[in-house]
Amino acid sequence: AQSVTQLGSHVSVSEGALVLLRCNYSSSVPPYLFWYVQYPNQGLQLLLKYTSAATLVKGINGFEAEFKKSETSFHLTKPSAHMSDAAEYFCAVSETSGTYKYIFGTGTRLKVLA
Amino acid sequence: SQTIHQWPATLVQPVGSPLSLECTVEGTSNPNLYWYRQAAGRGLQLLFYSVGIGQISSEVPQNLSASRPQDRQFILSSKKLLLSDSGFYLCAWSAIDSSRGVGAFFGQGTRLTVV
Repeated sequence: AQSVTQLGSHVSVSEGALVLLRCNYSSSVPPYLFWYVQYPNQGLQLLLKYTSAATLVKGINGFEAEFKKSETSFHLTKPSAHMSDAAEYFCAVSETSGTYKYIFGTGTRLKVLA
Repeated sequence: SQTIHQWPATLVQPVGSPLSLECTVEGTSNPNLYWYRQAAGRGLQLLFYSVGIGQISSEVPQNLSASRPQDRQFILSSKKLLLSDSGFYLCAWSAIDSSRGVGAFFGQGTRLTVV
């Protein structure tokens, strides 16, 4: 079964510092992978997605993620954190065939320090 | 463009009372529809998904049920709420299988508190 693991339920960075949020997937074949952001009491917003085209994927708000098959990873990065980046971030996986499910990780809450 | 509506935004219900949460999607046909529950520190748990009218797949045994009476309408129900049903419920849609890599798109959620 597909699954994703997010290392670190809470991450704190200083404003202007690098943001790195980790995600590892478990799948017999490379799946589709996604990062979402959630602000308090709101739904999830799609940040970026990997669908087997380019391994380095750029998303909204300056975020990007790199798909590494050898490491089964899809880590999210942003060169310089902004206060408005404080939110919860979810990694998700979808199979490329078969069922239509999107499976989410447990989330990482990002705190940005002034 | 496609939009998803979910209501109510917040709900406080007594234990043992029934539940009905509704979700509708506009601007697309034959979407895949999903209900997720988010509990503190537990991420998003997929409860139900549907690939068509009347077709419901349940992911976990629980006190809830789902129905899809129309193509773009998805309803989450319970006959008798439990305290453990409290949480943040999110409805989502995605395009049919050939566009699966597009991702799922979420409503604004319903905060359910069972008292």
